[in-house]
Amino acid sequence: NAGVTQTPKFQVLKTGQSMTLQCAQDMNHEYMSWYRQDPGMGLRLIHYSVGAGITDQGEVPNGYNVSRSTTEDFPLRLLSAAPSQTSVYFCASSYSTPGTADTQYFGPGTRLTVL
Amino acid sequence: RKEVEQDPGPFNVPEGATVAFNCTYSNSASQSFFWYRQDCRKEPKLLMSVYSSGNEDGRFTAQLNRASQYISLLIRDSKLSDSATYLCVVKIGKLIFGQGTTLQVKP
Repeated sequence: NAGVTQTPKFQVLKTGQSMTLQCAQDMNHEYMSWYRQDPGMGLRLIHYSVGAGITDQGEVPNGYNVSRSTTEDFPLRLLSAAPSQTSVYFCASSYSTPGTADTQYFGPGTRLTVL
Repeated sequence: RKEVEQDPGPFNVPEGATVAFNCTYSNSASQSFFWYRQDCRKEPKLLMSVYSSGNEDGRFTAQLNRASQYISLLIRDSKLSDSATYLCVVKIGKLIFGQGTTLQVKP
């Protein structure tokens, strides 16, 4: 199993550009999430999905869109990049709602810089 | 006030030392508690869950104090490989992450 994979690993954007961060998992997990991690702050939940076709907002959803057309893939779209979106982005997945007996697995992260 | 607060450190300790981290949470309705480990520029990984009665996994011991709303992590006989950032995580519906405490174990 590859686990949770994310591409790209690094990205530099100019203000106003759009892009999609890719996330895929091969563990047949229903629950997938996107977090961002900034210095001095914990991971903050952007969007999450409890299964194919179902998504919902997390703590900091503004400026981001998601979709979940398959169980495996959960891409994160930046609509119009802003310097405030410079961060490290982690995708995570689990069999069920994180925080039960089930472990949440994280991808290796995407380091995004917006100039 | 942050929902989950940790002392960011860094905690610098020699090999073999015992070190403890505390974490406080603000919501008394918090359901579950965890410690995650994050190595430099890597993804977080679950270290251990924290149970009301306290639990141990080798050199690591986790405690929960619901009355005072804090959890702790004790590491005995520190190894160089324990150097990492330790994230306190609380479930309040969703997972809420603390900012992490950095541990550096020196030879």
